[in-house]
Amino acid sequence: AQTVTQSQPEMSVQEAETVTLSCTYDTSESDYYLFWYKQPPSRQMILVIRQEAYKQQNATENRFSVNFQKAAKSFSLKISDSQLGDAAMYFCAYRSSNFGNEKLTFGTGTRLTIIP
Amino acid sequence: DTEVTQTPKHLVMGMTNKKSLKCEQHMGHRAMYWYKQKAKKPPELMFVYSYEKLSINESVPSRFSPECPNSSLLNLHLHALQPEDSALYLCASSQGVVGTGATDTQYFGPGTRLTVL
Repeated sequence: AQTVTQSQPEMSVQEAETVTLSCTYDTSESDYYLFWYKQPPSRQMILVIRQEAYKQQNATENRFSVNFQKAAKSFSLKISDSQLGDAAMYFCAYRSSNFGNEKLTFGTGTRLTIIP
Repeated sequence: DTEVTQTPKHLVMGMTNKKSLKCEQHMGHRAMYWYKQKAKKPPELMFVYSYEKLSINESVPSRFSPECPNSSLLNLHLHALQPEDSALYLCASSQGVVGTGATDTQYFGPGTRLTVL
C-alpha cells in the first residue's frame, strides 16, 4: 500500500517571500501521479499542481513549482512571492497509474499561514 | 470548465432521517467519487463510480449508499446516520482514463457539511 507523509503540520511565511512544503511517499510502483491540493477555509479542495512520475521535468504553474525527486520519493512544493490568498491547508496526494485503482492517497496536510 | 457542483451546502439531520446528497458534473468525466473528511484530517475515499462500475471502501457502513442515475450525477443516500458521521462530504470527478499520458486528475466540488444530531 502507498503512504504519503507530510512532516510539517504548520508553516508560516512572510508575504512576498518563498516557502517550501515537504512531502515524501512510499510506493513500489514505477508509474504514478502526484498532486498538491489546497483547501482554504471555504473547504473546497483546489488542484494546485500535478506531476507525472515518468516525466523528469518538474511541473510549474505560475508561482507554484515542485521539486520531484523520484529516487528519493520526495515531492516538495515551492510557493514563490507568497500572497495572502495562499493561506490554506495543503495536501500532497498520490495516485496509482493502474486502471481500477483510482484512489487518491493523501498526506495529513500542512497548514500554511501568510504573515502580512 | 472544471466545475463540480454539490447540493446542499449544509445539511442537519436526525439519526432517524433519510436524506440525500447530490453531486453533478458536466465535463464528460467517466469517474466520480465520494470522500468523507473529518475536521483537520485528509479526505478518505468512500466510493468510486468508474465506467458504470461501483467500487466500495469496505470500511464504509451500509447506512451510506451511492447511486449513479447517469454519468453526470452521483447521489449519496443517507439513512440512520450516527453523530460520528458528521463531516464534510466531498464529491470529485475525473476523466477515468489512466496510463502514461493521461493524468486523470480529480476535480473536487465545494462539499456538503453534514451534521447529525
